[in-house]
Amino acid sequence: DSGVTQTPKHLITATGQRVTLRCSPRSGDLSVYWYQQSLDQGLQFLIQYYNGEERAKGNILERFSAQQFPDLHSELNLSSLELGDSALYFCASSAQGFAGITDTQYFGPGTRLTVL
Amino acid sequence: GQNIDQPTEMTATEGAIVQINCTYQTSGFNGLFWYQQHAGEAPTFLSYNVLDGLEEKGRFSSFLSRSKGYSYLLLKELQMKDSASYLCAVDIMGGGNKLTFGTGTQLKVEL
Repeated sequence: DSGVTQTPKHLITATGQRVTLRCSPRSGDLSVYWYQQSLDQGLQFLIQYYNGEERAKGNILERFSAQQFPDLHSELNLSSLELGDSALYFCASSAQGFAGITDTQYFGPGTRLTVL
Repeated sequence: GQNIDQPTEMTATEGAIVQINCTYQTSGFNGLFWYQQHAGEAPTFLSYNVLDGLEEKGRFSSFLSRSKGYSYLLLKELQMKDSASYLCAVDIMGGGNKLTFGTGTQLKVEL
């Protein structure tokens, strides 16, 4: 158990819908990262937040957005869902997350999203 | 951009030693992580290399050559539970702490 929690564990929804995935980082960690893992793509970095502010962005679609709240939990919002958005979504956390200072990222159990 | 290559699959025998290679081409390389991932589960941290050389941690060791853009993960005394995907991930300098992952090597340990 990494100490990172994610809810829900599974989510089944229809195309065009909107969902919110939630992540709580390990106690004391300030950075949260979101990754998408689909069968044909491997783990893809989406976005990082550090202490409430966006720190780095990957190939995140405009239909996707995230935020980190004052209590440091984070939410990933996925809207206008398409079949291709079906994937495992992982959240990870690390102590810091500053450029030039490498922290180990610890991953949560993931949310499996199925879009029908 | 970044390019990370790992073999797709490997098979080894219980009790044996296996080496999983990872090559990368990237600018602003900071360090390299190895993670283990069982199917449908979270990646779990195995090792981090920032300097050239070998880091040993129990049955698992990881090696890095920055000049060659090359790393390997060495697993000794293989156990059935080591059957999993092994992910190589590069940490790039500049802008946060995001990791770029290879597609992973699926290791199957057989009796």
